[in-house]
Amino acid sequence: AQSVAQPEDQVNVAEGNPLTVKCTYSVSGNPYLFWYVQYPNRGLQFLLKYITGDNLVKGSYGFEAEFNKSQTSFHLKKPSALVSDSALYFCAVRDREGFQKLVFGTGTRLLVSP
Amino acid sequence: DAGVIQSPRHEVTEMGQEVTLRCKPISGHDYLFWYRQTMMRGLELLIYFNNNVPIDDSGMPEDRFSAKMPNASFSTLKIQPSEPRDSAVYFCASSLTRGPVVTEAFFGQGTRLTVV
Repeated sequence: AQSVAQPEDQVNVAEGNPLTVKCTYSVSGNPYLFWYVQYPNRGLQFLLKYITGDNLVKGSYGFEAEFNKSQTSFHLKKPSALVSDSALYFCAVRDREGFQKLVFGTGTRLLVSP
Repeated sequence: DAGVIQSPRHEVTEMGQEVTLRCKPISGHDYLFWYRQTMMRGLELLIYFNNNVPIDDSGMPEDRFSAKMPNASFSTLKIQPSEPRDSAVYFCASSLTRGPVVTEAFFGQGTRLTVV
């Protein structure tokens, strides 16, 4: 069964510093990988995805993520954090094979301090 | 397209009552997902459909929960009878997978259900 692990419940970073939100996955085949962000009392907003091609994926609001097949990871990164990046971040995985169940991690709360 | 549309946005009901949540996916999308979000359990996949056919309902917590997709533009999630522990935000999402085209899942704004 496919699964996603986000090992950190919360990540704290100062504004202007780089940030990393970690994600590892498990699927039987090859994955499609996604990152979403959720602001308070809002739905989930798509940030970026890895489908195929370049392992470094760039997305919205200056975020990027690197697909690492050997480490089964897809960590979210940003070179310089903003206070407005404070939110709940979710990693998700779909198996390329068969029916494509979409499974989310437990989420990581990012807190960017001024 | 207006995106994934869920109704109602908020629902307050008494324990024992039937609750029906509705979802209109994005036109042309072939996958539809229902999720439940709570503080304790995070974002749980309840059931998903492919081309209107339920594929995996293993996430449905109990027989009190049921979901249907009578056509490509409409789905319902029903809880009967409702219980206070069903209180959560329920999200619907849709996506398209067609050959090399794989879109992300687009989420609705959610339905906040409170069972008192």
